[in-house]
Amino acid sequence: EVQLVESGGGLIQPGRSLRLSCMTSGFTFGDYLMSWVRQAPGKGLEWVGFIKSKTSGGTTKYAASVEGRFTISRDDSKSIAYLQMNSLTIEDTAVYYCVRHTCGGCYMNDYWGQGTLVTVSS
Amino acid sequence: EIVLTQSPGTLSLSPGERATLSCRASQSVANNYLAWYQQKPGQAPRLLIHGASRRATGLPDRFSGSGLGTDFTLTISRLEPEDFGIYYCHQYGSSPLTFGGGTRVEIK
Repeated sequence: EVQLVESGGGLIQPGRSLRLSCMTSGFTFGDYLMSWVRQAPGKGLEWVGFIKSKTSGGTTKYAASVEGRFTISRDDSKSIAYLQMNSLTIEDTAVYYCVRHTCGGCYMNDYWGQGTLVTVSS
Repeated sequence: EIVLTQSPGTLSLSPGERATLSCRASQSVANNYLAWYQQKPGQAPRLLIHGASRRATGLPDRFSGSGLGTDFTLTISRLEPEDFGIYYCHQYGSSPLTFGGGTRVEIK
């Protein structure tokens, strides 16, 4: 059974950094593109960024709203994806979802975690 | 960036009625790579439709997707009580990936 479990969320002050983790199981993690999607309270879904599998180049891409502040990485040996968030602002407050895609370079996704809430507030 | 505009914002319907949700893209979606998701409070989105018209595994056939290019539609032929929630369209044909703003389907 495919499982994605996010962790690392919480209350953080503006300007600080936070790293989210997405622990996975039930599939060969290294074969898949992984992305992060967020949802501000009461708002819609916003794609944050993705990282391709190493065999698909391992490249990353980000939404303009987080480019230069957020970094996605992966540890295929541990089956974990990470989202490093720096210079956080109040506008980054959201539930962050980890998402598995259907192949190493595919943009279509098929599994979502349950999300972890990040609250940026002083 | 492809902007997806969903309409209406809210749909108030009774169980058994037909729901028609629209998603319009600012430019053509490559390969008609358009998906629909359902989300209920406190839950992650659930994939319903991909490739504009392909149902996800196990999805009841009262759900159907159609469209191509820039205009897409999700139809629920006869609403069941469990169908109420927020529906999002999502294009994955090109990066950056984008989502529509959502349509809320509520009980009339």
